[in-house]
Amino acid sequence: AQSVSQHNHHVILSEAASLELGCNYSYGGTVNLFWYVQYPGQHLQLLLKYFSGDPLVKGIKGFEAEFIKSKFSFNLRKPSVQWSDTAEYFCAVTPRGLTDSWGKLQFGAGTQVVVTP
Amino acid sequence: DAGVTQSPTHLIKTRGQQVTLRCSPKSGHDTVSWYQQALGQGPQFIFQYYEEEERQRGNFPDRFSGHQYPNYSSELNVNALLLGDSALYLCASSRDRGDQPQHFGDGTRLSIL
Repeated sequence: AQSVSQHNHHVILSEAASLELGCNYSYGGTVNLFWYVQYPGQHLQLLLKYFSGDPLVKGIKGFEAEFIKSKFSFNLRKPSVQWSDTAEYFCAVTPRGLTDSWGKLQFGAGTQVVVTP
Repeated sequence: DAGVTQSPTHLIKTRGQQVTLRCSPKSGHDTVSWYQQALGQGPQFIFQYYEEEERQRGNFPDRFSGHQYPNYSSELNVNALLLGDSALYLCASSRDRGDQPQHFGDGTRLSIL
């Protein structure tokens, strides 16, 4: 069965520190990969997505993610975080193929990130 | 522009009751997906509606059913509520194209007593 695991449930760091959140998935076929973010009191928003091509993907607000196929990983990074990056971050996967569906997202459990001033 | 809207925002029910949650998709979107998010967990896919039909379904019992109307709005119905159905229910909409991401609503918080 397909699954997504996020390595850390909670991360606390200071402003200007670098952030890296791990995401691994288990699925035998080709996948599309996503990172979503949920800021306090707001709805889930798409940070970035990977479908194909350059495995280094840049998203909004200075975030980027790298797809490493051999490791089944899609880690999220930001070189220097701000207090406003405090949020919960979710990695998500959906299979890609002839019957591809953009609805059946499989999410990880999420990582709560707290950035202290 | 109006994003995905869900109603109600909060709901309290008792075991055995039935509930209906509603979702209006973002303008221009024709596909609606529903997710259940339990406390401390990521969202779990319930089902997806397109052209008024259930197109895909996750691992949820038949107590969970839905509907999509010609204007693309959607309902999630849950019968015979259990304590374990307490969760945040999220609606997401998208255009039925391969390169379109899903847009999420704020969710309905359902509490079962």
